[in-house]
Amino acid sequence: AQSVAQPEDQVNVAEGNPLTVKCTYSVSGNPYLFWYVQYPNRGLQFLLKYITGDNLVKGSYGFEAEFNKSQTSFHLKKPSALVSDSALYFCAVRGQDTDKLIFGTGTRLQVFP
Amino acid sequence: GAGVSQSPSNKVTEKGKDVELRCDPISGHTALYWYRQSLGQGLEFLIYFQGNSAPDKSGLPSDRFSAERTGGSVSTLTIQRTQQEDSAVYLCASSLGVLVAGDTQYFGPGTRLTVL
Repeated sequence: AQSVAQPEDQVNVAEGNPLTVKCTYSVSGNPYLFWYVQYPNRGLQFLLKYITGDNLVKGSYGFEAEFNKSQTSFHLKKPSALVSDSALYFCAVRGQDTDKLIFGTGTRLQVFP
Repeated sequence: GAGVSQSPSNKVTEKGKDVELRCDPISGHTALYWYRQSLGQGLEFLIYFQGNSAPDKSGLPSDRFSAERTGGSVSTLTIQRTQQEDSAVYLCASSLGVLVAGDTQYFGPGTRLTVL
């Protein structure tokens, strides 16, 4: 069965510091991995995805994520956090032989000035 | 280009009433999904439509919930005899199709349902 774990309910970081939001997954075969961001009272916005190829994926707003097959992880990163990055972040996974996207429980990122 | 739209943005209803929530997907997207996001919770899959195939209803929490998609485009999620536990944000998403490698779902802004 597919599953996604986001072990941190909340991540706090000072503006200008690097940030990491963690995600690990479990899926049969090769995964498709996604990150979404949700701002208050808004729907989810697509940030980036990994399908195949280069393990480092670059996405919107300066975010990137690194696919690590041996650790079954897909952590979201940004070199320098902005206060405006404060939001709820969701990791999601889909296996190549399934048609459902499974979401993690979300991690709230708080960037302090 | 236009994204996924949902209406109404907010709906307040009384317990026991029926409600209809509407979703307009991105033009050309063959797959459409409904999710529910309760306060402080993650996303709960409800139902998805893929082209003309029978919908996957495996996530619907009870027989009070139903959805249809007319003409392969607009979808309506209906909740009959609403209960207070139905209060949540209902999100709709669409995508090119699940057979597309790395198919990406794009979400609408959601409908916030409050059952009094």
